[in-house]
Amino acid sequence: DVKVTQSSRYLVKRTGEKVFLECVQDMDHENMFWYRQDPGLGLRLIYFSYDVKMKEKGDIPEGYSVSREKKERFSLILESASTNQTSMYLCASTPSPGRNEQFFGPGTRLTVL
Amino acid sequence: AQSVAQPEDQVNVAEGNPLTVKCTYSVSGNPYLFWYVQYPNRGLQFLLKYITGDNLVKGSYGFEAEFNKSQTSFHLKKPSALVSDSALYFCAVRDPGTNAGKSTFGDGTTLTVKP
Repeated sequence: DVKVTQSSRYLVKRTGEKVFLECVQDMDHENMFWYRQDPGLGLRLIYFSYDVKMKEKGDIPEGYSVSREKKERFSLILESASTNQTSMYLCASTPSPGRNEQFFGPGTRLTVL
Repeated sequence: AQSVAQPEDQVNVAEGNPLTVKCTYSVSGNPYLFWYVQYPNRGLQFLLKYITGDNLVKGSYGFEAEFNKSQTSFHLKKPSALVSDSALYFCAVRDPGTNAGKSTFGDGTTLTVKP
């Protein structure tokens, strides 16, 4: 069964802390994504990666960075967390080519105090 | 550029009645279209997709959607709603020419089915 896991379901951090969100997929997918979900705003793409060590900015990359050192793992980094980064973060993966649906993790609800 | 619109924030139907959740899209070529569902405190789950072929596609849990190229729409439908269908629904579009399977999602429609 296809699986995308995220390191935490709930996370509480303080303003200014460096935050790491981890995502692992076991399907050998080439493409991985990080979204944030806020009420009324749908899913907004932060960053995505189509190969190991490759990354591209999404629609809202400011304040975030990513790392993909291994095919199965895609990390989202908040260099200095701020209260406006309080949100639900969703990781997804999909194989190439692009006819396939995305497979989502359960999400991490991050609160920045 | 690709975009998708879900014109209704909320849809309310009675159990047993048909339901429709609307989606319109904009893309330069022939689109790939997807519907996902999110139950409370869960990630998104795939429901169905249109890639090519028959305009009416069937998916999980009795849902179906019709691709209408002239109206650039991909509305989600179910003949008889269940209370357990209450959830948040997202439409997504992908231009086949985009890199890495990148999709654009709508803002979501909350479906409430009342007994």
